[in-house]
Amino acid sequence: EAQVTQNPRYLITVTGKKLTVTCSQNMNHEYMSWYRQDPGLGLRQIYYSMNVEVTDKGDVPEGYKVSRKEKRNFPLILESPSPNQTSLYFCASSFTVAGEQYFGPGTRLTVT
Amino acid sequence: ILNVEQSPQSLHVQEGDSTNFTCSFPSSNFYALHWYRWETAKSPEALFVMTLNGDEKKKGRISATLNTKEGYSYLYIKGSQPEDSATYLCAPHSGSARQLTFGSGTQLTVLP
Repeated sequence: EAQVTQNPRYLITVTGKKLTVTCSQNMNHEYMSWYRQDPGLGLRQIYYSMNVEVTDKGDVPEGYKVSRKEKRNFPLILESPSPNQTSLYFCASSFTVAGEQYFGPGTRLTVT
Repeated sequence: ILNVEQSPQSLHVQEGDSTNFTCSFPSSNFYALHWYRWETAKSPEALFVMTLNGDEKKKGRISATLNTKEGYSYLYIKGSQPEDSATYLCAPHSGSARQLTFGSGTQLTVLP
């Protein structure tokens, strides 16, 4: 089954404790991205990747890191999480940047 | 960052009513326009990707039109059903950009 998976689905953590949210797709998509969704603000892009080893900042990259060592995986790293990073996070992938995006199930992160 | 506006922000209709929403975006350097449907507690799912001025796409009771010269798209739902209740997002893509910019969405509630 074609899908985008994310783990964990839910996470409660404390300020400053490094965490990684994994994202994997099995559709051989080149383009992958991370979004955060906050009430009233819609989906905002954090980082994106055009292909392996090619990543770039989206609209709200501060406090996040990403890597793309393999085509299928695109982990999101929070080196020192802060409460303002409490949000719902979605990973998405597509064949091209303008192509239909396939979204993962989401990760709800709470930073206390 | 593209300026994307969706209206109305929210909408309540009775079962069986037909309805429509608007997505406005900059017309310059247009490449593609995406529509997504986002049900509560689920992930956004693609409805349409439209590229040509005058394009019209249809999926069941849902259809969309595109005017790239004036920078808007309409989404229509004919004979709304409670299962159509969701947030509908549009996301334009400009040719030079490497990302989609999502509007904040129209939240539709269909009352039985």
